[in-house]
Amino acid sequence: EDQVTQSPEALRLQEGESSSLNCSYTVSGLRGLFWYRQDPGKGPEFLFTLYSAGEEKEKERLKATLTKKESFLHITAPKPEDSATYLCAVQVPGGYQKVTFGTGTKLQVIP
Amino acid sequence: GAVVSQHPSRVICKSGTSVKIECRSLDFQATTMFWYRQFPKQSLMLMATSNEGSKATYEQGVEKDKFLINHASLTLSTLTVTSAHPEDSSFYICSADPTGGNTIYFGEGSWLTVV
Repeated sequence: EDQVTQSPEALRLQEGESSSLNCSYTVSGLRGLFWYRQDPGKGPEFLFTLYSAGEEKEKERLKATLTKKESFLHITAPKPEDSATYLCAVQVPGGYQKVTFGTGTKLQVIP
Repeated sequence: GAVVSQHPSRVICKSGTSVKIECRSLDFQATTMFWYRQFPKQSLMLMATSNEGSKATYEQGVEKDKFLINHASLTLSTLTVTSAHPEDSSFYICSADPTGGNTIYFGEGSWLTVV
């Protein structure tokens, strides 16, 4: 059974304090790994898609990396507006767009 | 990026009535859309896959007769919660993909409250 585990469940950072969020996955095969940001009461906002081990993608203060077993979302010098829940999801071959989500990491950045 | 829109964003209905939620892809066509349900402080749980021109595929444990899905065109899928009960109160989100699996976009979500 495909599983996605995110850690930590919650993370509290001071503004400017860099850190990483983890997404570990166990799947029969990986078609793609997605990162999303979700603000309270809103739908997930797409951030990145990663396809193969060693791949990295960046967007502003965020950088996503991928290995064969896990993905990291690195947040450099976070700002209060980065506070949100970050979701990781995996898509397996044959699943045709069907993704399995982790439970998310709730990030709070304190001024 | 691609835009997926949901309507209404919030709806309150009485127990026993039905309510319809629309999901539209605004700038692309989607033969497949997905409906999720999210309880407070929990992750997204896939309810069903909506296929244009054919029957939806439901996940295990999701009642087909209660959650009716219609994908009548390449830009519109609807979810109808029939005979709603308070336990159906939740956040419902749809998604669609304009690129065949590479980038999946989500709607803004619809809050359903059944009183």
